[in-house]
Amino acid sequence: ETGVTQTPRHLVMGMTNKKSLKCEQHLGHNAMYWYKQSAKKPLELMFVYNFKEQTENNSVPSRFSPECPNSSHLFLHLHTLQPEDSALYLCASSQEDQSAKLFFGSGTQLSVL
Amino acid sequence: GQNIDQPTEMTATEGAIVQINCTYQTSGFNGLFWYQQHAGEAPTFLSYNVLDGLEEKGRFSSFLSRSKGYSYLLLKELQMKDSASYLCAVMDSNYQLIWGAGTKLIIKP
Repeated sequence: ETGVTQTPRHLVMGMTNKKSLKCEQHLGHNAMYWYKQSAKKPLELMFVYNFKEQTENNSVPSRFSPECPNSSHLFLHLHTLQPEDSALYLCASSQEDQSAKLFFGSGTQLSVL
Repeated sequence: GQNIDQPTEMTATEGAIVQINCTYQTSGFNGLFWYQQHAGEAPTFLSYNVLDGLEEKGRFSSFLSRSKGYSYLLLKELQMKDSASYLCAVMDSNYQLIWGAGTKLIIKP
């Protein structure tokens, strides 16, 4: 198994749909992150969880709702998204929340129609 | 504002050497990082520089000059599998990672 696993790999959804992205890490890390990656743009940090507590929310619209039930699992719940939300959503984990040695999943390529 | 600049795309020949530059303006500095990302795959950690100078790791080396706000990633003996995007990131004084948009490296035979 890879260290950080994301499902699904690809997702197409309409603007009225509700879907969830799932991330699981098998590395025993304490911090987990959601990033948004758009073509030719820098990675955008969305949310940070440290020991299951949310420590960062970078002014993300409420149509994105994270959930971290334990240190190994992270979800991103999506509802009423906009076409501009189409992007690659990457999950990452690290030993602590101020570590830049991040371990990324392969991402979910999201298309909003 | 905080900013990381790196070229959008570079092309190099198999077996050659390529240098990918990164310049930064950030609020403080707690280290510079390079990540490699193959198309459709996860970014993976390549290197970390916090002091000035060159860090060598096999075919890859990373250089840092804090006074110039400058780093480069040097790839030697290029192989086709080195075709990927290379992401530069700086950790600022608040331990926030500031990312560049990445450099897409194309290797030609």
